[in-house]
Amino acid sequence: DSGVTQTPKHLITATGQRVTLRCSPRSGDLSVYWYQQSLDQGLQFLIQYYNGEERAKGNILERFSAQQFPDLHSELNLSSLELGDSALYFCASSVNKGLTQYFGPGTRLTVL
Amino acid sequence: AQSVAQPEDQVNVAEGNPLTVKCTYSVSGNPYLFWYVQYPNRGLQFLLKYITGDNLVKGSYGFEAEFNKSQTSFHLKKPSALVSDSALYFCAVRENSGGGADGLTFGKGTHLIIQP
Repeated sequence: DSGVTQTPKHLITATGQRVTLRCSPRSGDLSVYWYQQSLDQGLQFLIQYYNGEERAKGNILERFSAQQFPDLHSELNLSSLELGDSALYFCASSVNKGLTQYFGPGTRLTVL
Repeated sequence: AQSVAQPEDQVNVAEGNPLTVKCTYSVSGNPYLFWYVQYPNRGLQFLLKYITGDNLVKGSYGFEAEFNKSQTSFHLKKPSALVSDSALYFCAVRENSGGGADGLTFGKGTHLIIQP
């Protein structure tokens, strides 16, 4: 158990809908990262937040957004969902700008 | 742009034999390198990392990796494989740019199958 929690574990929704994925980092970790794992694209970095502020963007679509709250938990919002958005979404956290990222168990999103 | 290549989709090893999972990388500066393991329906578990210093890095569960700057490689090794090592292994890289933005770039993963 990495100490990173993600909810929900599974999410099934329809095309065009909007969903929110939640992540709680390890105690004391200020950085939160979101990754997408799909068969087509593999594991891709989406976005990083550090202590409430956006730090870096990766291959994140404009339909996706994220935020980190004062208690350091983070939410990833996915809107206008398409079939191709079906994937595992992982959250990771690290200390400060620390090097080791610890991953949560992931949220499996299925878009029908 | 940084990239990682894991040239083997699958590696088969007999239990008790040594194993190697290959990884090569490309970054414009100095690299930070990582290995993670993923078991079915689980998240990624950190195994080890190379930051600087000794080229041989020891990690969890008896795994080690050797950093080779001239060959831009970071191969994962274990002297004696266990059936329980069977999983999906990911190599990842991050550039040591000091800028604070540190999303990892992952390889496509290598399925390691240890045969009894």
